Amino acid sequence: NAGVTQTPKFQVLKTGQSMTLQCAQDMNHEYMSWYRQDPGMGLRLIHYSVGAGITDQGEVPNGYNVSRSTTEDFPLRLLSAAPSQTSVYFCATQQMSSYNEQFFGPGTRLTVL
Amino acid sequence: KQEVTQIPAALSVPEGENLVLNCSFTDSAIYNLQWFRQDPGKGLTSLLLIQSSQREQTSGRLNASLDKSSGRSTLYIAASQPGDSATYLCAVSGGGADGLTFGKGTHLIIQP
Repeated sequence: NAGVTQTPKFQVLKTGQSMTLQCAQDMNHEYMSWYRQDPGMGLRLIHYSVGAGITDQGEVPNGYNVSRSTTEDFPLRLLSAAPSQTSVYFCATQQMSSYNEQFFGPGTRLTVL
Repeated sequence: KQEVTQIPAALSVPEGENLVLNCSFTDSAIYNLQWFRQDPGKGLTSLLLIQSSQREQTSGRLNASLDKSSGRSTLYIAASQPGDSATYLCAVSGGGADGLTFGKGTHLIIQP
């Protein structure tokens, strides 16, 4: 089992460009989420999904879109990248019945110039 | 709003010492608390998860305790090794779908 996978590992964008960060899981977990990690700020929740077709906003959703068409995939879209979105992005999954234990992907390091 | 604080922010100790990392949270109405390890440039690895009804959990040389009423958790590492060097993160869950609230971590260095 691959667990939680994220692509790409690294990405450099110019201001205003768009891109999609991919997250996939093979654990059949209903819950998936995206966090960003910034120095001195800790990890903060961007968006989450409790199942296919259902998404909701976390603490810092502005500038990001998500959709959940399958259980396995939860892509994060940046429509018009800004330097403030330079960060490390982590995808996490959780089986809703497993006492909220979350499992994290390896991360995508994004730089916006 | 839940806030999680980890003390110390950084710690450097000689190999072989036992050590304690501290985590405190402001709202005691938590569902569980999770300790993670993060190596430089890597993702988060779950170490221990303590349910709100539990007092402690153990895995190998690691022991995590939870005092929900006082809003505190500790991670005890016995007989530390250089391979334990990493950042340790504490996170609490309120039980809903709105994810974990993280502390900023303790950066641990074990000197050979």
